[in-house]
Amino acid sequence: GAGVSQTPSNKVTEKGKYVELRCDPISGHTALYWYRQSLGQGPEFLIYFQGTGAADDSGLPNDRFFAVRPEGSVSTLKIQRTERGDSAVYLCASSLGTLGEQFFGPGTRLTVL
Amino acid sequence: TQLLEQSPQFLSIQEGENLTVYCNSSSVFSSLQWYRQEPGEGPVLLVTVVTGGEVKKLKRLTFQFGDARKDSSLHITAAQPGDTGLYLCAGQRRPPPGTYKYIFGTGTRLKVLA
Repeated sequence: GAGVSQTPSNKVTEKGKYVELRCDPISGHTALYWYRQSLGQGPEFLIYFQGTGAADDSGLPNDRFFAVRPEGSVSTLKIQRTERGDSAVYLCASSLGTLGEQFFGPGTRLTVL
Repeated sequence: TQLLEQSPQFLSIQEGENLTVYCNSSSVFSSLQWYRQEPGEGPVLLVTVVTGGEVKKLKRLTFQFGDARKDSSLHITAAQPGDTGLYLCAGQRRPPPGTYKYIFGTGTRLKVLA
């Protein structure tokens, strides 16, 4: 069966540009999480959705970051006015519910030049 | 602020040796998970512990949750090169007062030499 997929796998952009990162969760999974991981570090929580609503967005670093999940399935993480410090791997995970096992995608490597 | 500190940060050992990785916090967690991550991939869940003092075994891996649910350890017996990877602990503090988000530890990078 299909796992969590993320697109693109790599994204190179210039400082100040806008980017969108997409996550396709496992079908039927109601919970969806976004994380950011810097090299050699553990993932840093950004936001999670239960259905269509953002249940906890306390990890978003600032108002340049925004995420949506309009139909309770696919989610998009949006970053405005990118900065070099935004460079990292962005991971998405989904689970059957908030207590279920998280299944991670392979991540999107974002590089801001 | 990193709520979960892992030690050691790096570990390089010979095949056949035993090792223990620690995950410590000053906060109480409802549950704690251990993951292994390989380069270019997302973390993969190894185990979830939910009860203080709980011990779980997965082949050569033994996981323990502290009595106070603030810390955990992962012990690997007779390490093999296939155990090489980044080991991560992650805690969930369920409501109240928390939410269902997961907080990941700082990570332990293990290399097992043949």
